[in-house]
Amino acid sequence: DVKVTQSSRYLVKRTGEKVFLECVQDMDHENMFWYRQDPGLGLRLIYFSYDVKMKEKGDIPEGYSVSREKKERFSLILESASTNQTSMYLCASRGLGGLPYNEQFFGPGTRLTVL
Amino acid sequence: DQQVKQNSPSLSVQEGRISILNCDYTNSMFDYFLWYKKYPAEGPTFLISISSIKDKNEDGRFTVFLNKSAKHLSLHIVPSQPGDSAVYFCAASNYGGSQGNLIFGKGTKLSVKP
Repeated sequence: DVKVTQSSRYLVKRTGEKVFLECVQDMDHENMFWYRQDPGLGLRLIYFSYDVKMKEKGDIPEGYSVSREKKERFSLILESASTNQTSMYLCASRGLGGLPYNEQFFGPGTRLTVL
Repeated sequence: DQQVKQNSPSLSVQEGRISILNCDYTNSMFDYFLWYKKYPAEGPTFLISISSIKDKNEDGRFTVFLNKSAKHLSLHIVPSQPGDSAVYFCAASNYGGSQGNLIFGKGTKLSVKP
């Protein structure tokens, strides 16, 4: 079974702090993704990565950056946290090929509160 | 502009009855569709998918129907159970484009009442 783990389930930070959210997958997947989920807005893609050291902006990259130094690990960084970044953050991974096409496997999520 | 739309934010159904969740899309290049289920405080889990070359896919109590001409798909759950209460996300992708990224709808919260 694919396992995607996220470093924290719940996190409380203060405005202006630098925040690191870590995600690790154990299936040697090439693609990894960071989403945020907000009520009424669904899942919105922040950043994704096709491979090590590669990254692409998603739909809402402002205020975020990412790092992928190793294939299994994808980090989301909030350089200076703000209250509007309070959200549920979800990491996902996807391997190339196989069925069903394009299935992404999600981690349990990190509920981030910025005070 | 939303490419994948779930127009019903919530749905309430009696246990044992059918639940029908709807999803519309605008991009005719989408060729693969997935449904995810999400419980509170957990990540979404894959439920069922359908390729654009099919019009129906069934897995136990779950059936997904695709109407390409109407750009519409629906998820049927029969019979509905209280454990099905969750948020359901419809997602679409163009396998040959954008590295197969998924475009998600905003979700429908299903409540199955005992």
